[in-house]
Amino acid sequence: EADIYQTPRYLVIGTGKKITLECSQTMGHDKMYWYQQDPGMELHLIHYSYGVNSTEKGDLSSESTVSRIRTEHFPLTLESARPSHTSQYLCASSEGGGGLQETQYFGPGTRLLVL
Amino acid sequence: KQEVTQIPAALSVPEGENLVLNCSFTDSAIYNLQWFRQDPGKGLTSLLLIQSSQREQTSGRLNASLDKSSGRSTLYIAASQPGDSATYLCAVEAGNNRKLIWGLGTSLAVNP
Repeated sequence: EADIYQTPRYLVIGTGKKITLECSQTMGHDKMYWYQQDPGMELHLIHYSYGVNSTEKGDLSSESTVSRIRTEHFPLTLESARPSHTSQYLCASSEGGGGLQETQYFGPGTRLLVL
Repeated sequence: KQEVTQIPAALSVPEGENLVLNCSFTDSAIYNLQWFRQDPGKGLTSLLLIQSSQREQTSGRLNASLDKSSGRSTLYIAASQPGDSATYLCAVEAGNNRKLIWGLGTSLAVNP
């Protein structure tokens, strides 16, 4: 059973506000990921990390930023939320190292609505 | 550029049927192919991971095959149940950064 948590599960916020979406995993996984998913669309990787102090941008341009100060924690921050940021944000982690260790485990997601 | 396609986009079957979901990818240079399940409003659950050197993987009523040369994978679900209703996503791990490239999914409804 994978242990990866996201908070909040749902967030409604006004334009211009700063928000942080939390993601934590208790499995000691080195690799962590943030995906964005709109209804009926494929998942888009927006950020990933291969370990502490390692962060990279994904394929989809995003105005968000991430940090990886601790192995278990990978928060995503939007400095100034806009309606175009309305989406579902999914966090995932994997052990890394090849083979079955590349299996990604997902959190329940955060649904963000920016008014 | 790697692209992943899933057919059909939606499928509705009566309970008890055996069914096949299809996934195709354009570049055979992959590390692995993964099948996930997504329930409405929830995250994804990993079902099966097939490494590039493997031909199939099985877990319970699920069997996934991989034909890398033709760029195809199938997910076979035996004796479907209403609890199998969900969206099934296929993704390939590829590229120098070993990222997952995703299909749009097949939405499955199993009717009692």
